Amino acid sequence: SQTIHQWPATLVQPVGSPLSLECTVEGTSNPNLYWYRQAAGRGLQLLFYSVGIGQISSEVPQNLSASRPQDRQFILSSKKLLLSDSGFYLCAWSVEPRYGYTFGSGTRLTVV
Amino acid sequence: AQSVTQLGSHVSVSEGALVLLRCNYSSSVPPYLFWYVQYPNQGLQLLLKYTSAATLVKGINGFEAEFKKSETSFHLTKPSAHMSDAAEYFCAVSDYGNEKLTFGTGTRLTIIP
Repeated sequence: SQTIHQWPATLVQPVGSPLSLECTVEGTSNPNLYWYRQAAGRGLQLLFYSVGIGQISSEVPQNLSASRPQDRQFILSSKKLLLSDSGFYLCAWSVEPRYGYTFGSGTRLTVV
Repeated sequence: AQSVTQLGSHVSVSEGALVLLRCNYSSSVPPYLFWYVQYPNQGLQLLLKYTSAATLVKGINGFEAEFKKSETSFHLTKPSAHMSDAAEYFCAVSDYGNEKLTFGTGTRLTIIP
């Protein structure tokens, strides 16, 4: 069966520090991969999505970046965190959107 | 472009009462529609999905939703609310060939004992 792993679960980072969040999927090949953010009291914001290795589409210009070095690995990064980067980050995968997404358990990032 | 509107960012119902969460969509072609539930500090979990088969879709935890093309709606219902239903609910839509889902802004459901 397919599973999605996302870590760490919580993270507290100082302003200006780098960030790396990792997401991996097991049990499927060539999934579509997505990074979302939920800020406090707000809905889901799509940050990046990828339909294949090395293919990244950015939805919102900001100081975050994403990479897909392997078929089932999706990484969210930042060189210098801002206070506004705080939020709940969710990774998701799908074979085709008509089947829906499967979400990871999320990472709570607090920038202090 | 497709979009989703969830009426009511907060809904409160008494335990045992009917739950009704509203979702309207706009799409130029027959859509795929979804409801997700999110408990605090957790990821989203798929409740149910409509993919052009039966218009009344049954999901997990006693929830169901009816696709009404004439009203462009996909409202979520449950006959009798339980305390464990307290969560945030998201409606989402996708068109055939689109690689992304479009999510609504969410409805926070509170259950009153």
